[in-house]
Amino acid sequence: DSGVTQTPKHLITATGQRVTLRCSPRSGDLSVYWYQQSLDQGLQFLIQYYNGEERAKGNILERFSAQQFPDLHSELNLSSLELGDSALYFCASSPARGNTIYFGEGSWLTVV
Amino acid sequence: SQQGEEDPQALSIQEGENATMNCSYKTSINNLQWYRQNSGRGLVHLILIRSNEREKHSGRLRVTLDTSKKSSSLLITASRAADTASYFCATDSVHAAGNKLTFGGGTRVLVKP
Repeated sequence: DSGVTQTPKHLITATGQRVTLRCSPRSGDLSVYWYQQSLDQGLQFLIQYYNGEERAKGNILERFSAQQFPDLHSELNLSSLELGDSALYFCASSPARGNTIYFGEGSWLTVV
Repeated sequence: SQQGEEDPQALSIQEGENATMNCSYKTSINNLQWYRQNSGRGLVHLILIRSNEREKHSGRLRVTLDTSKKSSSLLITASRAADTASYFCATDSVHAAGNKLTFGGGTRVLVKP
């Protein structure tokens, strides 16, 4: 158990819908990262927050947004969902730069 | 874009044999981390090696780093069926904002009993 908790573990939704994925980082970790893993794109970095502020942005679509709250948990919002958004979404956390980054078990999203 | 590229893409060995996989990357790094992923599951952290380190060990795992060649290797000794998984290298680039990791495509390892 990495200590990073993600909910829900699985969800199935229809095209055009919106979903929110939730992440609780390891106790004390200030950085939260979101990654998307799909068969064709592999593991892609989406976005990083550090202590509530956006630190780095990757290949995150405009339909996607994220935030980190004062209690350090984070949410990834995916809207206007398309079939191609079906993937495993990972949250990860670390205390600071240069440290091990720990991943959660992921949230499986299936868009039908 | 993928910073790290693993080689081989797939590896099949017998239980008890050693498994070696390589990772090449393109830019200067702060550190390189290896992860294991069982099918459809989460990423389990294995080892972090910093740019000023050349070798690290953890149990049956040995990681080397050659920054002059921009490459790393992961050796699993005396493999077990439970080692069957995909293995990924990930780099923390000195040029990247934040400290995001950029992952390679992974090596799928099958350990046959």
